[in-house]
Amino acid sequence: SAVISQKPSRDICQRGTSLTIQCQVDSQVTMMFWYRQQPGQSLTLIATANQGSEATYESGFVIDKFPISRPNLTFSTLTVSNMSPEDSSIYLCSVGTSAEQFFGPGTRLTVL
Amino acid sequence: QKEVEQNSGPLSVPEGAIASLNCTYSDRGSQSFFWYRQYSGKSPELIMFIYSNGDKEDGRFTAQLNKASQYVSLLIRDSQPSDSATYLCAVNGGAYSSASKIIFGSGTRLSIRP
Repeated sequence: SAVISQKPSRDICQRGTSLTIQCQVDSQVTMMFWYRQQPGQSLTLIATANQGSEATYESGFVIDKFPISRPNLTFSTLTVSNMSPEDSSIYLCSVGTSAEQFFGPGTRLTVL
Repeated sequence: QKEVEQNSGPLSVPEGAIASLNCTYSDRGSQSFFWYRQYSGKSPELIMFIYSNGDKEDGRFTAQLNKASQYVSLLIRDSQPSDSATYLCAVNGGAYSSASKIIFGSGTRLSIRP
């Protein structure tokens, strides 16, 4: 399985600001995924990030709010823009295929 | 109808007993089925996957799949307090979505009482 790290592990942010979350994988992977897990809820896929192409966003998520970069096969970033308290959540990146996915440790975001 | 449905629990099982977790899914084209375990404050970890109808055993865990009924379950034998966690059922994208997309259920909270 891949070893995945995320930065920051947690943050407390003010309303209206933006936060960029980094995801680093110890091996080259084709697809990286970004999920959100709101308090007491399950995981919701935000977008799929492929190297060299635009990210594919799921219904309810837009690029202006959650811009994603994927500059190479081991790294991706997710930005949460113009944050509101409703964005308070755990954000997780994952890697894998339709066969299995592995998750990073997550970034716990609190927006005041 | 939700794409992946689970009973949210909590499911309380005495130590040493069998814990049975159930999940149904809506997309008949789904090909792969997963069980993840998530401890409080931690990220999900894959514990079982199954592709074919029938049972798949791995240690104390058995995954069961019935595609005709669109039903997948996880049995945990000889339950231990360390099994107390939320168990997420997940299904890969089937006929109506990308095969790489995995859809998660809301999870079942399992509590093993000593």
